[in-house]
Amino acid sequence: SQTIHQWPATLVQPVGSPLSLECTVEGTSNPNLYWYRQAAGRGLQLLFYSVGIGQISSEVPQNLSASRPQDRQFILSSKKLLLSDSGFYLCAFTPDRAGSNQPQHFGDGTRLSIL
Amino acid sequence: GQNIDQPTEMTATEGAIVQINCTYQTSGFNGLFWYQQHAGEAPTFLSYNVLDGLEEKGRFSSFLSRSKGYSYLLLKELQMKDSASYLCAVSALMTTDSWGKLQFGAGTQVVVTP
Repeated sequence: SQTIHQWPATLVQPVGSPLSLECTVEGTSNPNLYWYRQAAGRGLQLLFYSVGIGQISSEVPQNLSASRPQDRQFILSSKKLLLSDSGFYLCAFTPDRAGSNQPQHFGDGTRLSIL
Repeated sequence: GQNIDQPTEMTATEGAIVQINCTYQTSGFNGLFWYQQHAGEAPTFLSYNVLDGLEEKGRFSSFLSRSKGYSYLLLKELQMKDSASYLCAVSALMTTDSWGKLQFGAGTQVVVTP
């Protein structure tokens, strides 16, 4: 079966510190991968998506970056966190470069608090 | 671009029916998804509509009118566990720039009372 793993579940970081969130997918090859952020009480904002290794598209300008070093691994990073980076970060995938009629499946999310 | 509108909150009693409306304006519309998200958890997929009409899945049904840019999610025989946020999401026709991307609405918080 296809599964998605995301860690850590919660993270508290000081302003200006670096960030690395990791997401891995099992049970499928060549997935489309997505990073979202959800502010409290708000909808999901797409940050990055990837259709293949090394192929990253950024949706909004920000101090975050994403990388896909392996087919089923997607990493969200920052060199220096801002207070505004607080939120609920979700990784999602669609299997095997599925078309736009396939649902995205989400990891359990990382709740990031910046102090 | 895409604009997606859905009500912020709805309250209903256990056993009742609630209809959550979603309107959208988009270029290159392909289909519409509904997700359920409990507080503090990730969204889970509920339904997908690509053609006009009603799709039924147990207590949940979803309707789409492509010409009106309108969808609704119908929750029947409400249970306390249905208290959650319901997200409407629109997918665009596939291009090299929009492969599989979804645009989400802000979500409708449904509160089920005893």
